[in-house]
Amino acid sequence: DIQMTQSPSSLSASVGDRVTITCRASQDISNSLAWYQQKPGKAPKLLLYAASRLESGVPSRFSGSGSGTDYTLTISSLQPEDFATYYCQQYYSTPQTFGQGTKVEIK
Amino acid sequence: EVQLLESGGGLVQPGGSLRLSCAASGFTFNNYAMSWVRQAPGKGLEWVSAISGSGGSTYYADSVKGRFIISRDNSKNTLYLQMNSLRAEDTAVYYCAKIPGYSTSGYFDYWGQGTLVTVSS
Repeated sequence: DIQMTQSPSSLSASVGDRVTITCRASQDISNSLAWYQQKPGKAPKLLLYAASRLESGVPSRFSGSGSGTDYTLTISSLQPEDFATYYCQQYYSTPQTFGQGTKVEIK
Repeated sequence: EVQLLESGGGLVQPGGSLRLSCAASGFTFNNYAMSWVRQAPGKGLEWVSAISGSGGSTYYADSVKGRFIISRDNSKNTLYLQMNSLRAEDTAVYYCAKIPGYSTSGYFDYWGQGTLVTVSS
């Protein structure tokens, strides 16, 4: 199985900050990477797929980059509604595997 | 509008069985693969199982292989997860999720609201 390692596991940031979350795969996943946002008590929501493609309706302050084994989610200017937990997921091979999550908290 | 509505969760004793359902609407159900993903209390997301659009191909996480069975009824636009020999570690919120394609290997573009399964004596 492909292991996905996210960092950091949590971070504190202020509204307006630029936030970066990284995800490392245990092998090359050829950009088959998605990012999700999850708020407490809610289902995950797709933000990006194919490493950098923004899902319809997702604000443009979210962006993704990377290749091979290393990928990044960036929030350019953190908004109050962005405080949540973020997960990466590889879909290069079955089983699809998730990172352990990054909780973004208010500083 | 795509909607996925899970049902069937509840409290079950260790060794017991439960069947989850996921009623889908707002898209052509048999054109898309579907999956189950679970989340234990306070933990991260774990992929459980996936099924192709036709139902002819199924896949399972090692943690549930031989105990869970995924199926679908395309005439009823419904996805199922039959869970047998349940263990305490199966306690989780179970989400059904749509994959944006016919193949089971993909990301999840729509999720249901989840149904809680609690395995305890």
